Amino acid sequence: GNSVTQMEGPVTLSEEAFLTINCTYTATGYPSLFWYVQYPGEGLQLLLKATKADDKGSNKGFEATYRKETTSFHLEKGSVQVSDSAVYFCALSDHGYGNKLVFGAGTILRVKS
Amino acid sequence: GAGVSQTPSNKVTEKGKYVELRCDPISGHTALYWYRQSLGQGPEFLIYFQGTGAADDSGLPNDRFFAVRPEGSVSTLKIQRTERGDSAVYLCASSFTGQSQETQYFGPGTRLLVL
Repeated sequence: GNSVTQMEGPVTLSEEAFLTINCTYTATGYPSLFWYVQYPGEGLQLLLKATKADDKGSNKGFEATYRKETTSFHLEKGSVQVSDSAVYFCALSDHGYGNKLVFGAGTILRVKS
Repeated sequence: GAGVSQTPSNKVTEKGKYVELRCDPISGHTALYWYRQSLGQGPEFLIYFQGTGAADDSGLPNDRFFAVRPEGSVSTLKIQRTERGDSAVYLCASSFTGQSQETQYFGPGTRLLVL
């Protein structure tokens, strides 16, 4: 079945450091890929998405590229801020499998000033 | 505009009791999803409605769980004979038509604690 694996956290960085959170997936169809973020005390919200191979999603300085050859969708940001501290979830939705989202376990990011 | 809303925000119940969790999706969204999130885990799919009908209920863990969406808008997730293992945050999401590339918009969740 479809699955998502993302790097375990917590990831602790200093402000202005470079961020990478790895995400790989297994899918039998042609999935769309998503990064969702959960800030402390808030609900899940979409950060960015990509719907086909080689697409790059970007938002708020974050970006991720849909790599079909490596089945990956790694999240990157060049310079993190304290306000980026949150839990980040990689997810896929495969139109051949009911459109539901399949999530990874989440990665906690802590940014220190 | 208004986002997805869920009530109650918190629910504490005793083992064996019946609970109902309500979801009010974004107006005009035909697709509605329920997920369950346990502590330290990502959300897990429970059920997906397209309009009034359950298009995919493959994630419901057993027959104590069922959900309805009688008028194609508000949905209620119902749990009978609650067990301590049902304790989790129950999330509702909606999307415009339910296509796989669409963004799903999540509500704040209902935190269920079964004592």
